[in-house]
Amino acid sequence: DTEVTQTPKHLVMGMTNKKSLKCEQHMGHRAMYWYKQKAKKPPELMFVYSYEKLSINESVPSRFSPECPNSSLLNLHLHALQPEDSALYLCASSPMVGRYNEQFFGPGTRLTVL
Amino acid sequence: GQQLNQSPQSMFIQEGEDVSMNCTSSSIFNTWLWYKQDPGEGPVLLIALYKAGELTSNGRLTAQFGITRKDSFLNISASIPSDVGIYFCAGQPSGSARQLTFGSGTQLTVLP
Repeated sequence: DTEVTQTPKHLVMGMTNKKSLKCEQHMGHRAMYWYKQKAKKPPELMFVYSYEKLSINESVPSRFSPECPNSSLLNLHLHALQPEDSALYLCASSPMVGRYNEQFFGPGTRLTVL
Repeated sequence: GQQLNQSPQSMFIQEGEDVSMNCTSSSIFNTWLWYKQDPGEGPVLLIALYKAGELTSNGRLTAQFGITRKDSFLNISASIPSDVGIYFCAGQPSGSARQLTFGSGTQLTVLP
């Protein structure tokens, strides 16, 4: 299995809602990532998990809360978002050794904040 | 942070033509990656390069890791309509394991 899956594919939420994005991979990768991507722009790194522990937080606002329950799953909890947070949220995974820079992306969750 | 200059920003070509795009950096990179992204989808890894001077092919795609370790190019030969999309270069700067820097992307349009 060489896929990274993400659910939901689309999400519309109000500024007072709480929602979660989910990501799953079964490639045995122990590094997982969250990226935010605006239209026609490159992905921007938000968080990196290494061996299920948060290793990098790129100064992301606390209204985004990541969680890595096990080596295959990655969640992003959303609360009190702003309209400017509307974007494509991408999950990726990579090995921890060897070709560790080869990040494999999921299809993304298109988030719209009203 | 690190900056990657990717050019051209966009290209319009005829089906069957060859395409070339490149990325340059002011600092050394340990790894160069090339991704393609279709609308509404996540980036798909096309080619990964790990050694200066390395030339790697994947079907009609060929990419090279520059000798200076500060640049990379991607060539697509005999373009077809499904080559349409945004191509991103990405690199791992020296000393920044697992943190990729992305280029701004090249939007490719293939005209029939």
